[in-house]
Amino acid sequence: DVKVTQSSRYLVKRTGEKVFLECVQDMDHENMFWYRQDPGLGLRLIYFSYDVKMKEKGDIPEGYSVSREKKERFSLILESASTNQTSMYLCASSRWGGFGGYTFGSGTRLTVV
Amino acid sequence: DQQVKQNSPSLSVQEGRISILNCDYTNSMFDYFLWYKKYPAEGPTFLISISSIKDKNEDGRFTVFLNKSAKHLSLHIVPSQPGDSAVYFCAASEPNAGKSTFGDGTTLTVKP
Repeated sequence: DVKVTQSSRYLVKRTGEKVFLECVQDMDHENMFWYRQDPGLGLRLIYFSYDVKMKEKGDIPEGYSVSREKKERFSLILESASTNQTSMYLCASSRWGGFGGYTFGSGTRLTVV
Repeated sequence: DQQVKQNSPSLSVQEGRISILNCDYTNSMFDYFLWYKKYPAEGPTFLISISSIKDKNEDGRFTVFLNKSAKHLSLHIVPSQPGDSAVYFCAASEPNAGKSTFGDGTTLTVKP
């Protein structure tokens, strides 16, 4: 059963902490993505990657960075967590060109206090 | 500027009837459209897609219609079942772009 695995389902962090969200896919997909989901705002793209060591900014990259050292792993980093980064974070992967859609992970609910 | 819009935040239908979810887009470069379904506490799952060279695609109870001139697509679920109750996201992408732009979602409730 192919899947995208996010390392944590729930996280609580303090303001100012550096936070790492990890995502691993086992489908040999080229593309990987990080989205956040907030009520009334849908899914907003933070960063994406088309290949190892490549990254592109999405619509809301401020306050975030990413790392893709291996094809199967895509990490989202909150450099200094703030309360407005409290959200559901969703990782996804897809084949090159995106045909067949994304496979999403189950999400990480991050609360910054 | 929101390029993909789902103007109905919620929809309620009776079991066995048709559910119609709508989506509008503004970017004429989009050529691939997708629908995802999301249950609470889970990630979205891919449901059905359509390329701009088609105007209809069916998969079982789910049919997606595309009207390129109106920049509008819709998802029809027939017959609707209580298990279809979920949030439905419309998404669109440009040629070979890989990344998709999502709408805000429509919460479908199917009543027994």
